[in-house]
Amino acid sequence: NAGVTQTPKFRILKIGQSMTLQCTQDMNHNYMYWYRQDPGMGLKLIYYSVGAGITDKGEVPNGYNVSRSTTEDFPLRLELAAPSQTSVYFCASSYSGRTGANVLTFGAGSRLTVL
Amino acid sequence: GDSVTQMEGPVTLSEEAFLTINCTYTATGYPSLFWYVQYPGEGLQLLLKATKADDKGSNKGFEATYRKETTSFHLEKGSVQVSDSAVYFCALIPSNDYKLSFGAGTTVTVRA
Repeated sequence: NAGVTQTPKFRILKIGQSMTLQCTQDMNHNYMYWYRQDPGMGLKLIYYSVGAGITDKGEVPNGYNVSRSTTEDFPLRLELAAPSQTSVYFCASSYSGRTGANVLTFGAGSRLTVL
Repeated sequence: GDSVTQMEGPVTLSEEAFLTINCTYTATGYPSLFWYVQYPGEGLQLLLKATKADDKGSNKGFEATYRKETTSFHLEKGSVQVSDSAVYFCALIPSNDYKLSFGAGTTVTVRA
């Protein structure tokens, strides 16, 4: 059982370039999330989705876009990369949105550096 | 909004020492509380959780009790091992939501 798979694991971008971080889950989870992790700052929610075709902004959505065309996939798009987007990105999914029962499964992360 | 504050690290311990990581929260109502752990090079995984006051979550020798009166959810382990070296995150889900909010994380290093 693969769980949540993220690609690529590492990427270096130049300022102004664009790229897509891929995320796939095979657990038939309805809820999916993108977080970024910065040193000493914990994880901040970028975007989330409660099902195919439905997405919404989290705490720090500026500079990012997402889509959810299938239950399995939740790609994160960076347009016009900036140094402030240098971070480790985590995709996560969960089966239930019920408070307390909402246990997230995380991918291994994607480390992005913008130079 | 609802949030958690956890003790800053890094924390360095010797094997078999006692570990405590403090976590306090600010919330309206009754949030659910979690500890997630991130081992080197991996994603986060759930360590334990508690969904109501006085609940105790436990796993892998770690424990945390949901204390409403002190708005705390401190993580403890009586005898740590080198394999417990990781980053530990306290997190909550507000009572009227389903999205997790994380603390800053505490890096723990256990030396043999």
